[in-house]
Amino acid sequence: DSGVTQTPKHLITATGQRVTLRCSPRSGDLSVYWYQQSLDQGLQFLIQYYNGEERAKGNILERFSAQQFPDLHSELNLSSLELGDSALYFCASSQFEGNEPQHFGDGTRLSIL
Amino acid sequence: GEDVEQSLFLSVREGDSSVINCTYTDSSSTYLYWYKQEPGAGLQLLTYIFSNMDMKQDQRLTVLLNKKDKHLSLRIADTQTGDSAIYFCAESRGRRGADGLTFGKGTHLIIQP
Repeated sequence: DSGVTQTPKHLITATGQRVTLRCSPRSGDLSVYWYQQSLDQGLQFLIQYYNGEERAKGNILERFSAQQFPDLHSELNLSSLELGDSALYFCASSQFEGNEPQHFGDGTRLSIL
Repeated sequence: GEDVEQSLFLSVREGDSSVINCTYTDSSSTYLYWYKQEPGAGLQLLTYIFSNMDMKQDQRLTVLLNKKDKHLSLRIADTQTGDSAIYFCAESRGRRGADGLTFGKGTHLIIQP
């Protein structure tokens, strides 16, 4: 158990819809990272938050957004969903801002019908 | 190139050593990581090595780092059926790792009885 909690485990929805994925980092970790894992693109870094502020952006689409709340949990919002957004979405956390081990949750599997 | 490269498959006999290889791209990467993903599960941090080291040993795992060739390897001694999984190599790029982790496509480790 990594200590990173992601909910829900599975999500099935339709094209055009909006969903919210939730992540609670390990106790004491200030950074949260979001990644997308798909068969064609592999594991891609989306975005990082540190202590409530956005720190780094990767290959995140404009239809996607995230935030980190004062209690340090984070949410990833995906809107105007397309079939190609079907993937496994991982959250990871680390103690500080970067260049340190990231611990991953079990992921949320998103299926778009 | 810009990709972290790994072989897609490795097949070994139970009890033998497994060696999974990776080439990374950023000579300024501070940490290099190995993650394990079992079917339907999240990413488990196996081990990591700081860039000023050339070897790290942790029980059955040995990591070797050749900075000149940007080559990283993971050796698993006495491979067991429970080691069957996908192994991902990852590097931490950018200023203080601010670009998130960049992953290879993963090596499927197959254990023959």
